[in-house]
Amino acid sequence: GAVVSQHPSRVICKSGTSVKIECRSLDFQATTMFWYRQFPKQSLMLMATSNEGSKATYEQGVEKDKFLINHASLTLSTLTVTSAHPEDSSFYICSARFGSTDTQYFGPGTRLTVL
Amino acid sequence: KNQVEQSPQSLIILEGKNCTLQCNYTVSPFSNLRWYKQDTGRGPVSLTIMTFSENTKSNGRYTATLDADTKQSSLHITASQLSDSASYICVVIYNTNAGKSTFGDGTTLTVKP
Repeated sequence: GAVVSQHPSRVICKSGTSVKIECRSLDFQATTMFWYRQFPKQSLMLMATSNEGSKATYEQGVEKDKFLINHASLTLSTLTVTSAHPEDSSFYICSARFGSTDTQYFGPGTRLTVL
Repeated sequence: KNQVEQSPQSLIILEGKNCTLQCNYTVSPFSNLRWYKQDTGRGPVSLTIMTFSENTKSNGRYTATLDADTKQSSLHITASQLSDSASYICVVIYNTNAGKSTFGDGTTLTVKP
């Protein structure tokens, strides 16, 4: 199956700093990438959808200026958590799909801890 | 409002036993339904994909059923193994082009020796 990677797998940062998380589709061109956030014992919550070369579409309640998403190429999307605070600590997961298919391939996730 | 409800919230079984997880949805229009397995600290991995016309689909020891009339799905795990301990998430796709989907809260399965 298709492989999606995320980097880093874990990151610990101080409050007020910015953190960038990368999501890569390793063996296919991802025309659409999705970013999710998952708090402990809860399911995934969609944060935003990004199409290559276009601005991301954010879900209601997600601050676009705080969670910057860039999808500059067909194999790479980045999520930057700006001025991170402890409440941003969470598990961030990306997924990618090709074309108009509805099959999403999930990355392994990134555990963000903000001190 | 599109919703996906899973039950039970958590389940503990002994190794070798079978179990069934439930998923009820009110998502419309329906495109397809997927079951994912998510190990702790990892991303979800697809187990089965079911379209409107499919009633049963198997993937090894995992068998998913779908009743589109009652909008219910189940995931049956046979001869459970310790490695089956994970969260099982039911996801219903309702807008293929936009990739819109609704996630259930998952069922946490613990298999004990």
